[in-house]
Formats: sequence, C-alpha cells, structure tokens
Amino acid sequence: GAGVSQSPSNKVTEKGKDVELRCDPISGHTALYWYRQSLGQGLEFLIYFQGNSAPDKSGLPSDRFSAERTGGSVSTLTIQRTQQEDSAVYLCASSLALGEKLFFGSGTQLSVL
Amino acid sequence: GEDVEQSLFLSVREGDSSVINCTYTDSSSTYLYWYKQEPGAGLQLLTYIFSNMDMKQDQRLTVLLNKKDKHLSLRIADTQTGDSAIYFCAESMSLTGGGNKLTFGTGTQLKVEL
Repeated sequence: GAGVSQSPSNKVTEKGKDVELRCDPISGHTALYWYRQSLGQGLEFLIYFQGNSAPDKSGLPSDRFSAERTGGSVSTLTIQRTQQEDSAVYLCASSLALGEKLFFGSGTQLSVL
Repeated sequence: GEDVEQSLFLSVREGDSSVINCTYTDSSSTYLYWYKQEPGAGLQLLTYIFSNMDMKQDQRLTVLLNKKDKHLSLRIADTQTGDSAIYFCAESMSLTGGGNKLTFGTGTQLKVEL
C-alpha cells in the first residue's frame, strides 16, 4: 500500500475486555514496529518484527500484551483484560529492512472506560 | 539512561526561523531523526542525519549535529503556519536480533503566530 495502515482508528472498550489492533505495513517492508504514545509517557517502544519473528519483546508492558505477524505482512497487537492505563495511541511503523528509516501509520486511539 | 530531552514549547512569528533543540544519550546512535506530528495524525519523517555528519540541509530544514555534546537541532527557515505541529527528535539504538529502536524525545510543540 501507499503507507502504513492501522485499524481501527479509534476504539472504545470497557475495562476487562480484550482488544485487537491491526497494522498493515508498507508493501515490501520486512521490519514492523509497535509503539505506544500516551500523555505523560511520550512514545514508548513495545515490540518489533523482522519477518514473522519478534526478536525483542522487552518493551511490552505486561503479559496482557502480545503481538503476532503472519505472512511477513499484517500484524496484530492484542491487549487482554484491558485496564484504564492502557488508554493511549498505538502507533505502528514499518521499514524496508532492519536499520532503515521508520514510516509510521496514523495510529489507533484506544480508550478504556 | 535513555532520556532524549527537548524543550516542550516554542512560539515564533510567521516568516521567522524556528530552532528546535534536542539532547540525546547514546553516542553510538548511527542515525538521528526528526519527526513531525500534526493533530490527530501519525508521525511523519521530516529528515535524518547520519552520525558522521555535522550538518544536513533539505530545503527549509537544516539539521545540526554536535556529537561531542550529543546535541541535535532542527532549524526551519521562513516558518509558516502549516509548520505548527509537535516535533520529535529520535535516536536509534540497536536491539537484540539486529533491529533498531527509536527512542523519542518528549516532543516540542511549535506554534506559529501571524
């Protein structure tokens, strides 16, 4: 595609529910990254994929967070039993290869009530 | 530590130059980046500089890098109202497995007044 696409753009959920956020990277980009942007925390790195594997999961805030990537393309970030502190904008980025420039999507605004 | 620091706000008049400053922490960063975020939008890559360079110019944008002081700046010439946004600097750090993590500053809110 022309750019990194994320869906939904907005998600409102109740505390305790599970949510799935989707990222469709730029076609041909092998590396994919998830970041979280929240008030007071700035931009936090969560996880990255090279192909379908995630060599570094150190940024995931808790075991309620997981991510997968299939077919070297689309990735989903899943948050189980959402908490109010999970409210943030979740940004996805892709790059042509590791070490290359990152291009970001518009993000998913997650609100946990 | 991994703190990348920026001032929070900058206000300039249309037509003036804007200078946004950033200090970073990792002297081994290969690239340093400037991203722009407009309201409700994602991060747009503005420009970047390789760590062995001192300066890079791209139309109205000039990036200056002082490696000794770990100081990065972005100068926007002839600032326009459309330049109003939050500007993030970011340093690149290596991750396990060969990837790189961008560590972002807090962002500088640039307000351009008529």
